[in-house]
Amino acid sequence: DSGVTQTPKHLITATGQRVTLRCSPRSGDLSVYWYQQSLDQGLQFLIQYYNGEERAKGNILERFSAQQFPDLHSELNLSSLELGDSALYFCASSDTSGNEQFFGPGTRLTVL
Amino acid sequence: ELKVEQNPLFLSMQEGKNYTIYCNYSTTSDRLYWYRQDPGKSLESLFVLLSNGAVKQEGRLMASLDTKARLSTLHITAAVHDLSATYFCAVDSNYQLIWGAGTKLIIKP
Repeated sequence: DSGVTQTPKHLITATGQRVTLRCSPRSGDLSVYWYQQSLDQGLQFLIQYYNGEERAKGNILERFSAQQFPDLHSELNLSSLELGDSALYFCASSDTSGNEQFFGPGTRLTVL
Repeated sequence: ELKVEQNPLFLSMQEGKNYTIYCNYSTTSDRLYWYRQDPGKSLESLFVLLSNGAVKQEGRLMASLDTKARLSTLHITAAVHDLSATYFCAVDSNYQLIWGAGTKLIIKP
């Protein structure tokens, strides 16, 4: 158990809908990272937050957005969902050194 | 743009054998990571390599980093069935990890 929690574990929804994925980092970690893992694209970095501020942005679609709250938990919002958004979404956290990222169990999103 | 290439992408081997997975990357980075993923599960950190020449070992796995050659290796010694999994390398690029495609390792008894 990495100490990073994610909810929900599974999410099934329809095209065009909007969902919110939630992540709580390890105690004391200020950085949160979001990744998408799909069969065709592999693992891709989406976005990073550090202590509430966006620090780095990767291949995140405009339909996706994220934020980190004062209690350091983070949410990833996915809107206007398409079939191709079906994937595993992982959250990771790290301490201020950023030397190691610890991954949560993931949320499996299925868009029908 | 940083690219990370792993090879092989698939490896089937017998228990007791040795093998090496290679990870090449295209631009300078001084932080490289190896992760393990079991089917349907999360990513488990195996090794964090932070400097040129770094070598780390845990059980039957050993990882090394050559930043000049932009190459890391993950060596498996006397493989056992429990090591069957997908192994990923990832390279740090300005606070984001760029991932290899993964090596699916199957170890047959």
